[in-house]
Amino acid sequence: AQSVAQPEDQVNVAEGNPLTVKCTYSVSGNPYLFWYVQYPNRGLQFLLKYITGDNLVKGSYGFEAEFNKSQTSFHLKKPSALVSDSALYFCAVRPDRGYSTLTFGKGTMLLVSP
Amino acid sequence: DARVTQTPRHKVTEMGQEVTMRCQPILGHNTVFWYRQTMMQGLELLAYFRNRAPLDDSGMPKDRFSAEMPDATLATLKIQPSEPRDSAVYFCASGLVTIRVGEQFFGPGTRLTVL
Repeated sequence: AQSVAQPEDQVNVAEGNPLTVKCTYSVSGNPYLFWYVQYPNRGLQFLLKYITGDNLVKGSYGFEAEFNKSQTSFHLKKPSALVSDSALYFCAVRPDRGYSTLTFGKGTMLLVSP
Repeated sequence: DARVTQTPRHKVTEMGQEVTMRCQPILGHNTVFWYRQTMMQGLELLAYFRNRAPLDDSGMPKDRFSAEMPDATLATLKIQPSEPRDSAVYFCASGLVTIRVGEQFFGPGTRLTVL
């Protein structure tokens, strides 16, 4: 069975500072990894995904994520946070073989202060 | 700009009443997912369909919940009878199945309150 852990319920960062939202995963075989963002009263929006290839994946709104196979991690990063980045962030995983549903983490609330 | 639509956006009902939530997936997508989001449990998968056939509804309380896809443009989630513990935001998502993609596109959700 696959699983995702987001160890931080909340991350606080000042605007202009770099941010990291952590994610570790467990899956049989190789993973497909995803980050989604949820703004208040909205559905989840896709940010980026890792399928194969370069371990550093770039996505929407200046976000990027680094796949680390040895640490089974897929941390979300941004060099300079904006107040508008404040939202709930979800990491998700599925195995690369066959088709199965995504397994989501519990989410990490990112709060960017002015 | 194609997007998943859900109706109603908000629903307040009394315990014991039937609730029907509707979802229109993105045209051309062949998988549909129903999720429930609560503060306590986070995001839970209730059911999913591929090519309108239910593939997994193990996350759904079978005695009161049912999910169907009458056609490719409509998915429904029904609760009968509803209970206060069903209060949550219910999301529909759709996707196009290929081995390599796996992206899901989420609707805005239906916020259900059962009194």
